[in-house]
Amino acid sequence: TQLLEQSPQFLSIQEGENLTVYCNSSSVFSSLQWYRQEPGEGPVLLVTVVTGGEVKKLKRLTFQFGDARKDSSLHITAAQPGDTGLYLCAGPKLSGSARQLTFGSGTQLTVLP
Amino acid sequence: DTGVSQDPRHKITKRGQNVTFRCDPISEHNRLYWYRQTLGQGPEFLTYFQNEAQLEKSRLLSDRFSAERPKGSFSTLEIQRTEQGDSAMYLCASSLVFEVTEAFFGQGTRLTVV
Repeated sequence: TQLLEQSPQFLSIQEGENLTVYCNSSSVFSSLQWYRQEPGEGPVLLVTVVTGGEVKKLKRLTFQFGDARKDSSLHITAAQPGDTGLYLCAGPKLSGSARQLTFGSGTQLTVLP
Repeated sequence: DTGVSQDPRHKITKRGQNVTFRCDPISEHNRLYWYRQTLGQGPEFLTYFQNEAQLEKSRLLSDRFSAERPKGSFSTLEIQRTEQGDSAMYLCASSLVFEVTEAFFGQGTRLTVV
């Protein structure tokens, strides 16, 4: 069973602080995606990482894929209230071709003004 | 904006009733997925289509659930004899057939069974 474990489950911080959330697995993934989901809405794709050791930046968000492609992290610099949401990592189920995405249970981030 | 569209956004139904949800994927996407999400959890895979063929179904998809994608365009998910445990957000996503799977989600249908 491929499981994606996300930590922490909940995170509440003040505006302007930095934070890092993690996505870990005992299995190797060919790629990992990060999504952000707001209440009552569907997840929105933020980034895809493919290569071990890869780092991608999206404004104040920095995504890293572990060298062994078993883990990933998301770092937010100077968090803003608009960053509040459920952050989900997802990876393709390893069964032949990449078909369905397996999701972690998410990190619920609250940024207080 | 021609993103993934789901209808209805909200559905309240009595236990035992049948419900049907519709998903219109991004037009050029040939893969379509259905997921279910309960509060505090990540989305759980239900089923997936490539064009009109249903290629994979989760064990979560009991015989009360059926999904179709006629002509490889829109898709419907029907739940028969709804139970309170069916209450959840039902998410549809679509993607292209690439080596890297990037799914684009609709806004979801929130089902409440009372």
